[in-house]
Amino acid sequence: DPKIIQKPKYLVAVTGSEKILICEQYLGHNAMYWYRQSAKKPLEFMFSYSYQKLMDNQTASSRFQPQSSKKNHLDLQITALKPDDSATYFCASSQEDWGGANTGQLYFGEGSKLTVL
Amino acid sequence: GDSVTQTEGPVTVSESESLIINCTYSATSIAYPNLFWYVRYPGEGLQLLLKVITAGQKGSSRGFEATYNKETTSFHLQKASVQESDSAVYYCALGDGNSNNRIFFGDGTQLVVKP
Repeated sequence: DPKIIQKPKYLVAVTGSEKILICEQYLGHNAMYWYRQSAKKPLEFMFSYSYQKLMDNQTASSRFQPQSSKKNHLDLQITALKPDDSATYFCASSQEDWGGANTGQLYFGEGSKLTVL
Repeated sequence: GDSVTQTEGPVTVSESESLIINCTYSATSIAYPNLFWYVRYPGEGLQLLLKVITAGQKGSSRGFEATYNKETTSFHLQKASVQESDSAVYYCALGDGNSNNRIFFGDGTQLVVKP
Protein backbone atom coordinates (compact mmCIF):
# COMPACT_ATOMS: atom_id res chain seq x y z
CA ASP A 1 0.00 0.00 0.00
CA PRO A 2 1.33 3.44 -0.80
CA LYS A 3 2.61 5.22 2.28
CA ILE A 4 2.37 8.69 0.75
CA ILE A 5 -0.94 9.43 -0.86
CA GLN A 6 -1.33 12.28 -3.31
CA LYS A 7 -4.67 13.32 -4.74
CA PRO A 8 -5.67 13.79 -7.42
CA LYS A 9 -3.30 11.93 -9.71
CA TYR A 10 -4.29 14.05 -12.67
CA LEU A 11 -6.11 17.35 -12.92
CA VAL A 12 -6.86 19.91 -15.55
CA ALA A 13 -7.54 23.53 -14.67
CA VAL A 14 -8.27 26.72 -16.55
CA THR A 15 -6.06 29.80 -16.33
CA GLY A 16 -6.96 31.97 -13.36
CA SER A 17 -8.59 29.24 -11.32
CA GLU A 18 -7.45 27.74 -8.02
CA LYS A 19 -6.62 24.16 -7.11
CA ILE A 20 -5.55 22.25 -4.02
CA LEU A 21 -3.22 19.28 -4.19
CA ILE A 22 -3.59 16.86 -1.30
CA CYS A 23 -0.78 14.96 0.38
CA GLU A 24 -0.96 12.57 3.33
CA GLN A 25 1.87 10.44 4.64
CA TYR A 26 1.51 7.35 6.80
CA LEU A 27 5.16 6.84 7.62
CA GLY A 28 5.11 8.71 10.92
CA HIS A 29 7.61 11.25 9.60
CA ASN A 30 8.09 14.70 11.08
CA ALA A 31 9.05 16.52 7.88
CA MET A 32 7.20 16.99 4.60
CA TYR A 33 8.10 18.63 1.32
CA TRP A 34 6.80 19.70 -2.05
CA TYR A 35 8.81 19.33 -5.23
CA ARG A 36 7.79 20.17 -8.79
CA GLN A 37 8.85 18.73 -12.12
CA SER A 38 7.97 20.63 -15.28
CA ALA A 39 8.40 19.19 -18.75
CA LYS A 40 12.08 18.71 -19.62
CA LYS A 41 13.24 20.21 -16.32
CA PRO A 42 14.74 18.57 -13.26
CA LEU A 43 12.82 17.96 -10.07
CA GLU A 44 12.77 21.28 -8.24
CA PHE A 45 12.47 21.88 -4.50
CA MET A 46 9.57 24.11 -3.43
CA PHE A 47 8.92 23.89 0.34
CA SER A 48 9.92 22.00 3.43
CA TYR A 49 7.94 21.69 6.66
CA SER A 50 8.93 20.25 10.00
CA TYR A 51 6.34 19.60 12.71
CA GLN A 52 3.89 21.63 10.64
CA LYS A 53 6.15 24.68 10.54
CA LEU A 54 7.62 26.12 7.35
CA MET A 55 11.38 25.56 7.26
CA ASP A 56 12.38 26.51 3.74
CA ASN A 57 10.62 28.17 0.82
CA GLN A 58 12.20 28.30 -2.61
CA THR A 59 9.08 29.30 -4.49
CA ALA A 60 9.12 32.90 -5.61
CA SER A 61 5.40 33.22 -6.06
CA SER A 62 2.95 33.68 -3.20
CA ARG A 63 0.37 31.93 -5.39
CA PHE A 64 1.74 28.69 -3.96
CA GLN A 65 0.66 28.19 -0.35
CA PRO A 66 1.28 24.99 1.61
CA GLN A 67 -1.32 24.11 4.22
CA SER A 68 -0.67 21.70 7.07
CA SER A 69 -3.81 20.89 9.06
CA LYS A 70 -2.26 17.82 10.68
CA LYS A 71 1.26 16.55 11.21
CA ASN A 72 0.90 14.00 8.40
CA HIS A 73 -0.78 16.37 5.92
CA LEU A 74 0.80 18.94 3.66
CA ASP A 75 -1.55 20.23 1.00
CA LEU A 76 -0.55 22.72 -1.67
CA GLN A 77 -2.95 25.48 -2.68
CA ILE A 78 -2.24 27.15 -6.01
CA THR A 79 -4.18 30.29 -6.90
CA ALA A 80 -4.49 32.31 -10.11
CA LEU A 81 -3.22 29.37 -12.12
CA LYS A 82 -1.08 29.97 -15.20
CA PRO A 83 -0.13 27.60 -18.04
CA ASP A 84 3.49 27.73 -16.76
CA ASP A 85 2.27 26.06 -13.56
CA SER A 86 1.67 22.89 -15.57
CA ALA A 87 3.88 20.25 -13.99
CA THR A 88 3.88 17.15 -11.87
CA TYR A 89 3.91 18.06 -8.19
CA PHE A 90 5.54 15.59 -5.82
CA CYS A 91 5.02 15.41 -2.10
CA ALA A 92 7.75 13.83 0.02
CA SER A 93 8.44 13.12 3.66
CA SER A 94 11.33 12.18 5.89
CA GLN A 95 12.18 11.53 9.52
CA GLU A 96 14.52 14.39 10.11
CA ASP A 97 17.04 15.38 12.66
CA TRP A 98 18.38 18.17 10.50
CA GLY A 99 21.98 17.47 9.61
CA GLY A 100 21.76 14.00 11.04
CA ALA A 101 22.01 10.52 9.64
CA ASN A 102 18.62 10.60 7.95
CA THR A 103 19.32 13.74 5.96
CA GLY A 104 18.41 13.32 2.33
CA GLN A 105 16.41 10.13 2.78
CA LEU A 106 13.15 11.34 1.31
CA TYR A 107 10.14 9.21 0.52
CA PHE A 108 8.09 10.47 -2.42
CA GLY A 109 4.51 10.13 -3.49
CA GLU A 110 3.61 9.26 -7.07
CA GLY A 111 2.80 12.84 -7.93
CA SER A 112 -0.13 14.94 -9.07
CA LYS A 113 0.04 15.95 -12.70
CA LEU A 114 -1.46 19.39 -13.24
CA THR A 115 -2.30 20.77 -16.65
CA VAL A 116 -3.36 24.40 -16.91
CA LEU A 117 -5.13 25.40 -20.11
CA GLY B 1 25.07 27.61 -8.52
CA ASP B 2 24.38 24.17 -7.12
CA SER B 3 23.48 21.65 -9.77
CA VAL B 4 23.80 18.12 -11.02
CA THR B 5 24.45 16.86 -14.55
CA GLN B 6 23.94 13.25 -15.49
CA THR B 7 23.96 10.98 -18.53
CA GLU B 8 21.16 11.78 -20.88
CA GLY B 9 18.79 8.90 -21.45
CA PRO B 10 17.45 6.61 -22.45
CA VAL B 11 20.28 4.20 -21.83
CA THR B 12 19.61 0.74 -23.24
CA VAL B 13 21.62 -2.29 -22.17
CA SER B 14 21.09 -6.03 -22.37
CA GLU B 15 20.56 -8.14 -19.30
CA SER B 16 23.81 -9.19 -17.57
CA GLU B 17 25.78 -6.37 -19.18
CA SER B 18 27.55 -3.77 -17.10
CA LEU B 19 26.21 -0.26 -16.59
CA ILE B 20 27.58 3.16 -15.80
CA ILE B 21 25.48 6.30 -15.51
CA ASN B 22 27.64 9.38 -15.17
CA CYS B 23 26.94 12.14 -12.69
CA THR B 24 28.89 15.31 -11.99
CA TYR B 25 27.93 18.01 -9.54
CA SER B 26 28.57 21.63 -8.79
CA ALA B 27 28.28 22.67 -5.16
CA THR B 28 29.13 26.35 -4.97
CA SER B 29 27.09 27.20 -1.88
CA ILE B 30 27.30 23.89 -0.05
CA ALA B 31 30.41 23.32 2.02
CA TYR B 32 29.91 19.60 2.60
CA PRO B 33 27.66 18.13 -0.08
CA ASN B 34 25.75 14.93 0.41
CA LEU B 35 25.31 12.87 -2.75
CA PHE B 36 22.45 10.57 -3.60
CA TRP B 37 21.06 8.30 -6.24
CA TYR B 38 17.30 8.05 -6.32
CA VAL B 39 15.29 5.68 -8.51
CA ARG B 40 11.74 5.62 -9.84
CA TYR B 41 10.49 2.20 -10.87
CA PRO B 42 7.47 2.08 -13.18
CA GLY B 43 4.28 2.83 -11.26
CA GLU B 44 6.09 3.74 -8.05
CA GLY B 45 7.21 6.88 -6.27
CA LEU B 46 10.78 8.14 -6.30
CA GLN B 47 12.88 6.36 -3.67
CA LEU B 48 16.39 6.57 -2.33
CA LEU B 49 18.77 4.01 -3.84
CA LEU B 50 21.97 4.99 -2.07
CA LYS B 51 23.65 7.93 -0.44
CA VAL B 52 27.18 8.97 0.51
CA ILE B 53 27.92 11.91 2.76
CA THR B 54 31.72 11.67 2.99
CA ALA B 55 34.12 12.32 0.13
CA GLY B 56 36.09 9.24 -0.87
CA GLN B 57 33.46 6.83 0.41
CA LYS B 58 31.45 4.38 -1.66
CA GLY B 59 27.77 3.63 -1.29
CA SER B 60 26.08 0.47 -2.50
CA SER B 61 22.60 -0.96 -2.72
CA ARG B 62 20.91 -3.67 -4.80
CA GLY B 63 24.16 -4.35 -6.63
CA PHE B 64 24.66 -0.69 -7.57
CA GLU B 65 27.69 1.29 -6.40
CA ALA B 66 28.73 4.92 -6.50
CA THR B 67 31.88 6.59 -5.18
CA TYR B 68 31.93 10.20 -3.99
CA ASN B 69 34.90 11.73 -5.82
CA LYS B 70 35.55 15.27 -4.65
CA GLU B 71 38.51 15.81 -7.00
CA THR B 72 36.48 15.15 -10.14
CA THR B 73 33.16 16.24 -8.53
CA SER B 74 31.62 13.01 -9.73
CA PHE B 75 29.31 10.35 -8.36
CA HIS B 76 28.89 7.83 -11.17
CA LEU B 77 26.47 4.94 -10.70
CA GLN B 78 27.73 1.50 -11.70
CA LYS B 79 26.49 -2.05 -11.76
CA ALA B 80 28.44 -5.06 -12.96
CA SER B 81 25.48 -7.04 -14.27
CA VAL B 82 22.06 -5.47 -14.77
CA GLN B 83 18.73 -7.26 -14.64
CA GLU B 84 15.50 -6.52 -16.42
CA SER B 85 14.01 -5.45 -13.08
CA ASP B 86 16.55 -2.60 -12.94
CA SER B 87 14.65 -0.80 -15.70
CA ALA B 88 13.73 2.54 -14.14
CA VAL B 89 14.62 6.22 -14.11
CA TYR B 90 17.70 7.06 -12.04
CA TYR B 91 18.31 10.49 -10.54
CA CYS B 92 21.59 11.78 -9.22
CA ALA B 93 21.08 14.37 -6.48
CA LEU B 94 23.02 16.79 -4.32
CA GLY B 95 22.05 17.95 -0.87
CA ASP B 96 23.31 20.02 2.02
CA GLY B 97 23.52 18.07 5.24
CA ASN B 98 23.10 21.25 7.23
CA SER B 99 20.11 22.53 5.34
CA ASN B 100 16.47 21.61 5.34
CA ASN B 101 16.65 18.79 2.88
CA ARG B 102 16.64 21.05 -0.13
CA ILE B 103 17.95 18.56 -2.66
CA PHE B 104 19.08 19.39 -6.18
CA PHE B 105 18.19 16.67 -8.66
CA GLY B 106 19.61 15.89 -12.07
CA ASP B 107 17.32 15.44 -15.05
CA GLY B 108 17.10 11.70 -14.56
CA THR B 109 18.38 8.90 -16.79
CA GLN B 110 15.96 6.31 -18.07
CA LEU B 111 17.49 2.84 -18.06
CA VAL B 112 16.01 0.18 -20.30
CA VAL B 113 17.29 -3.34 -19.77
CA LYS B 114 16.52 -5.74 -22.60
CA PRO B 115 16.01 -9.41 -21.78
